[in-house]
Amino acid sequence: NAGVTQTPKFQVLKTGQSMTLQCAQDMNHNSMYWYRQDPGMGLRLIYYSASEGTTDKGEVPNGYNVSRLNKREFSLRLESAAPSQTSVYFCASSEAGRGREQYFGPGTRLTVT
Amino acid sequence: GQQLNQSPQSMFIQEGEDVSMNCTSSSIFNTWLWYKQDPGEGPVLLIALYKAGELTSNGRLTAQFGITRKDSFLNISASIPSDVGIYFCAGQPPGGSQGNLIFGKGTKLSVKP
Repeated sequence: NAGVTQTPKFQVLKTGQSMTLQCAQDMNHNSMYWYRQDPGMGLRLIYYSASEGTTDKGEVPNGYNVSRLNKREFSLRLESAAPSQTSVYFCASSEAGRGREQYFGPGTRLTVT
Repeated sequence: GQQLNQSPQSMFIQEGEDVSMNCTSSSIFNTWLWYKQDPGEGPVLLIALYKAGELTSNGRLTAQFGITRKDSFLNISASIPSDVGIYFCAGQPPGGSQGNLIFGKGTKLSVKP
């Protein structure tokens, strides 16, 4: 079992460019999440998907969109990247229930210049 | 919104020492989770706690769910060099929507020079 995988591992974008961060899990979890981690800020929830076909906003959704492609995959899209979106992005998944015991991927380090 | 106060922010350890850290809030939580993050990696789940007063161990790590439901503690006994990293607490508030985990800002463990 690979657990939660994320691609790419690193990315540099210019302001205004778009990109999609990919996430997949092989644990048959119903719920998936996208977080960003900034120095001194801890982990902040961007969007989550309680189950296939549903998505909801988290604490910091502005500038992002998500797609729950199927039960395994949950992607995060930046339509027009801004320097404020420079961060480390983590995908996580959990069994059905209320967000407990989330398991994290290795992260994508994104720099927007 | 709800916040978790994690302390200390950082600490230095000498091999063999016991280490304690805690997480507090002004609000109650239904679940407490403790994660460890190594540099360049995603957070890894260490211990999950589901009931007030619960005491759970994972090897040299022991965590407790506070009786008031507003705090949690993590102890590491006989620390070793590979214990260095950042430890995060996370709590799930009652009545929260799916995915609603609140994260502390972390306790950074370093080796004493």
